[in-house]
Amino acid sequence: DARVTQTPRHKVTEMGQEVTMRCQPILGHNTVFWYRQTMMQGLELLAYFRNRAPLDDSGMPKDRFSAEMPDATLATLKIQPSEPRDSAVYFCASGLTGTQGQPQHFGDGTRLSIL
Amino acid sequence: EDKVVQSPLSLVVHEGDTVTLNCSYEVTNFRSLLWYKQEKKAPTFLFMLTSSGIEKKSGRLSSILDKKELFSILNITATQTGDSAIYLCAVERGGGAQKLVFGQGTRLTINP
Repeated sequence: DARVTQTPRHKVTEMGQEVTMRCQPILGHNTVFWYRQTMMQGLELLAYFRNRAPLDDSGMPKDRFSAEMPDATLATLKIQPSEPRDSAVYFCASGLTGTQGQPQHFGDGTRLSIL
Repeated sequence: EDKVVQSPLSLVVHEGDTVTLNCSYEVTNFRSLLWYKQEKKAPTFLFMLTSSGIEKKSGRLSSILDKKELFSILNITATQTGDSAIYLCAVERGGGAQKLVFGQGTRLTINP
C-alpha cells in the first residue's frame, strides 16, 4: 500500500535551533504539499511543488522557513532559527495533478515542539 | 478570501446514532470538495465530490454536494466508537495544482 513517509515523527528542540523535516512522496506523484496544523489555525498550506518546481510558498514565513525538493523522492522543510510559535504538526501530502479525481494523500506528520 | 466553514465544531453522540456534518464554502474557481477523516495521525481520504446532487457512499458513510447553495454534508449512520475522529472538509481550487483550503474540522465523539 503506497504511503507518504515523513521523518522524524517527533522533534523536540530549543528555540534558535535548525529543524529539518523530510518527506518521501508516493512514487509517481508529481505534486508535493507542506501543511502545518495547530489547534488555533487548523490545517494551513505552507508551500507546494509540482514536478519538483516550487509553485507557491506564500503560506510560509520566508525569513525562517525554506522548502526544497532535491529529487523526486525527497522533499524537505527547514526552519532556521526555530521559535516556540513554530510548534505544530507538520504534514506532507502528495498528489497527481492533471488527473481528475485523484486526492492528496497525507503522511503521518512531524510533531514539532520548540522549547 | 477563500473560506471553508464546518459545523458543528464538536459533536458527541451515542453509538448507533446517525450524524450529519456540514461544510459550507466560498472559494473562487471551485474544482472539487473533499472529506477526510483524521484520527491520531494523517488525514485519510473519504470522498471527493465534483458534481451537485450525486451521492457518494462507502459503507455507513455518504456525502453529497450542492454547488448552487455552496455546501456539502457528510452522513454517518449506525455510528460506532471507531468513527470517533476529526472530520475535515476541504475545497480544491482550480488551476491544476490541487490546492486545498481546509475547514476547521468537526470533532466527533461516539460514546458506547
